[in-house]
Amino acid sequence: EAQVTQNPRYLITVTGKKLTVTCSQNMNHEYMSWYRQDPGLGLRQIYYSMNVEVTDKGDVPEGYKVSRKEKRNFPLILESPSPNQTSLYFCASADYNEQFFGPGTRLTVL
Amino acid sequence: QKEVEQDPGPLSVPEGAIVSLNCTYSNSAFQYFMWYRQYSRKGPELLMYTYSSGNKEDGRFTAQVDKSSKYISLFIRDSQPSDSATYLCAMSARRANSKLTFGKGITLSVRP
Repeated sequence: EAQVTQNPRYLITVTGKKLTVTCSQNMNHEYMSWYRQDPGLGLRQIYYSMNVEVTDKGDVPEGYKVSRKEKRNFPLILESPSPNQTSLYFCASADYNEQFFGPGTRLTVL
Repeated sequence: QKEVEQDPGPLSVPEGAIVSLNCTYSNSAFQYFMWYRQYSRKGPELLMYTYSSGNKEDGRFTAQVDKSSKYISLFIRDSQPSDSATYLCAMSARRANSKLTFGKGITLSVRP
């Protein structure tokens, strides 16, 4: 089944404790992206990657890092999470016509 | 002015109603227009995809794009309780494998 998977689905952590949210796709897509979704603000792009070893900032990159060492994986790294990064995070991969979204990761930073 | 504005909602309609969802935008470079549907606790899924101006129909759903007015719409005919979800418009200057700009989304509830 073609899909985008994210792990973990739910995470509660404390301020300053480094964490990684994994994202993997099995559709051989070159383009991948991370979004955060907040009430009243909608979906905002954090980082995106056009291909392996090519990443670039989206609209809200502060406090986040990404890497793209393999085509299928695009992890999101929070080096020192803060409460304002409490949000619902989505990974997506895309072909020419569609962005396919993962199931989401709900992150709470205390 | 934000690049993409979407009616905030929420919207509640009786089963069988015709629903009209709308977005306006300011960026003339947008060429590709999409509607995503997001059920509770799920990721968004592509519902309709339109290039440039015109109409596109798929079953009970019709997407309209008016580039001259910078206005897009999604119509749902004979709405069903299963249509209850959040609907997000999205736009891009290039194909889907590029930056998408989303509206904030509107939550639709269809009452049985």
